[in-house]
Amino acid sequence: GAGVSQSPRYKVAKRGQDVALRCDPISGHVSLFWYQQALGQGPEFLTYFQNEAQLDKSGLPSDRFFAERPEGSVSTLKIQRTQQEDSAVYLCASRLGQGLTQYFGPGTRLLVL
Amino acid sequence: GESVGLHLPTLSVQEGDNSIINCAYSNSASDYFIWYKQESGKGPQFIIDIRSNMDKRQGQRVTVLLNKTVKHLSLQIAATQPGDSAVYFCAENGYQGGSEKLVFGKGTKLTVNP
Repeated sequence: GAGVSQSPRYKVAKRGQDVALRCDPISGHVSLFWYQQALGQGPEFLTYFQNEAQLDKSGLPSDRFFAERPEGSVSTLKIQRTQQEDSAVYLCASRLGQGLTQYFGPGTRLLVL
Repeated sequence: GESVGLHLPTLSVQEGDNSIINCAYSNSASDYFIWYKQESGKGPQFIIDIRSNMDKRQGQRVTVLLNKTVKHLSLQIAATQPGDSAVYFCAENGYQGGSEKLVFGKGTKLTVNP
């Protein structure tokens, strides 16, 4: 079956630009997660949704980062006024229910120049 | 504080050998652990998981061992193949405070030599 998909796969932005990253979770998966992965590091948690409710946003690094999942399916991670330190791979994962495995998408590689 | 880490950043093995990748965790309250494989340019791929009420779990060519006494997790890959070359992460499901997030270690890069 179809896995988690993300778009775009690559994004180059000039410093100060706004970007929007999209995640399509596995159909029927209730939970959705966003992670940030710096080069050579493990993924780090950003935020978590259960259906349309954002239950944990403790990992968002600043108020320039905003995530939404208005209909409980597709999610968008928005970064305003991008900075060079925002350059990373942004991973989305979805999960059928609590306590179950998170399945990851291929990620969006963001480069801020 | 909570942390999940790996002892060795790189591991090089010969094709056909068995590989062992280790991981230490510090949160004794964690009750679910996962191993992921990540190939270059791809997202983490689920390999195997284990809950804290188990000591060992086996999959196809992979075995995960959990030692709660010393807070240690290991992944064993039998008859390692070139396709196993990747970065391997252990992750801990942090239920603390209601959070559902995964906490990842830095990863071990496995290289399989033909």
